[in-house]
Amino acid sequence: EVQLLESGGGLVQPGGSLRLSCAASGFTFSIYAVSWVRQAPGKGLEWVSATSGSGGRTDYADSVKGRFTISRDNSKNTLYLQMNSLRVEDTAVYYCAKDRDPYGLGASDAFDIWGQGTMVTVSS
Amino acid sequence: QLVVTQSPSASASLGASVKLTCTLSSGHSSYAIAWHQQQPEKGPRYLMKLNSDGSHSKGDGIPDRFSGSSSGAERYLTISSLQSVDEADYYCQTWGTGIHGVVFGGGTKLTVL
Repeated sequence: EVQLLESGGGLVQPGGSLRLSCAASGFTFSIYAVSWVRQAPGKGLEWVSATSGSGGRTDYADSVKGRFTISRDNSKNTLYLQMNSLRVEDTAVYYCAKDRDPYGLGASDAFDIWGQGTMVTVSS
Repeated sequence: QLVVTQSPSASASLGASVKLTCTLSSGHSSYAIAWHQQQPEKGPRYLMKLNSDGSHSKGDGIPDRFSGSSSGAERYLTISSLQSVDEADYYCQTWGTGIHGVVFGGGTKLTVL
């Protein structure tokens, strides 16, 4: 079964850091671009960041550029999101999502598999 | 700027059909989109990828009740024989190259009466 499983969420103070993980299974992880998407409480979906299958290409939403870093370890079938200088407005459920077609550059395809999400709360 | 627009809400009766709309911004009428369903307290679920010519490819296990179509800059999701489980938020997603990244519409909350 194709699956994505996020972890690492929690409560952090403004200005703090957190690293999210997304474990992939059931498909050849290294040939698919993957993204992080977030959803603030009661709000819609917001794309955050994407990386190509090799990790050589990355892309970020303006709202997180310079603060968040996406990376992946294909030997562990795992995607990461390092979040620094966190703000109250970063509070959201964070989902990882996989591109539908292989060999994309990231942020350039439909998402066909989503994880169940992990909650990040930024509050003092 | 690449933008997709959705009506905030829609409603239809049990057993009826409903057509949801996603509108692409000016200059982007050839773009493909994807439709996603988010049931209450759950993560999103991929429904289909929908091209500008109306061709679409659905996700695994998506019932035949769900179909897609296109006209100009409009992309549609039609749900027939509505069931209570169809009550959910429906999001359209599009993407470009270069600076566009991935863009989501604001979502349509579907109420099944």
